[in-house]
Amino acid sequence: QKEVEQNSGPLSVPEGAIASLNCTYSDRGSQSFFWYRQYSGKSPELIMSIYSNGDQEDGRFTAQLNKASQYVSLLIRDSQPSDSATYLCAVNEEDNDMRFGAGTRLTVKP
Amino acid sequence: ETGVTQTPRHLVMGMTNKKSLKCEQHLGHNAMYWYKQSAKKPLELMFVYNFKEQTENNSVPSRFSPECPNSSHLFLHLHTLQPEDSALYLCASSQVSELAKNIQYFGAGTRLSVL
Repeated sequence: QKEVEQNSGPLSVPEGAIASLNCTYSDRGSQSFFWYRQYSGKSPELIMSIYSNGDQEDGRFTAQLNKASQYVSLLIRDSQPSDSATYLCAVNEEDNDMRFGAGTRLTVKP
Repeated sequence: ETGVTQTPRHLVMGMTNKKSLKCEQHLGHNAMYWYKQSAKKPLELMFVYNFKEQTENNSVPSRFSPECPNSSHLFLHLHTLQPEDSALYLCASSQVSELAKNIQYFGAGTRLSVL
């Protein structure tokens, strides 16, 4: 059974801190990895994508990928209350199916 | 605005009703998807259409019937639903090719309540 695992949270960090969100996946042939942000009652919004091992930075967001460990993470620097949302990890598996994790709920406290 | 439009945004229906959800994408993509999102559960892929052909049906009950008349439009026809079908139904589209990364863009969703 192919899976994408995330801690459901809630993860609570103070404003200005670094939030670290983690995801593991089971399909070793996966090539593309994504982080979506979903505000309550809204649809998922793509915020980061990463395709090769290492770090991918975009503003306050950094995605990290380690294919050997089948692990992908998202770091949010200088967290803001507006970052409070559920973050979904998504993996494009070898058969080109996209599989989503259940999401981690992040709360940034002022 | 993601370029994927879903209507209606909210729908309340009885178990004997027939209704349809509509999705339209303006991104020129060749694949469209229906997902179901229930509370505290991962997004559940229901149907995939690639170049208007259904390529995946994840054991979805027959009371859900998809229709894809062209690569820009996708419908989900609903009939004799159960209360446990109440959920957020999300449509997504992507460009599937050797080079494209299959990044999926979501519509705003339809919040469905079955009474």
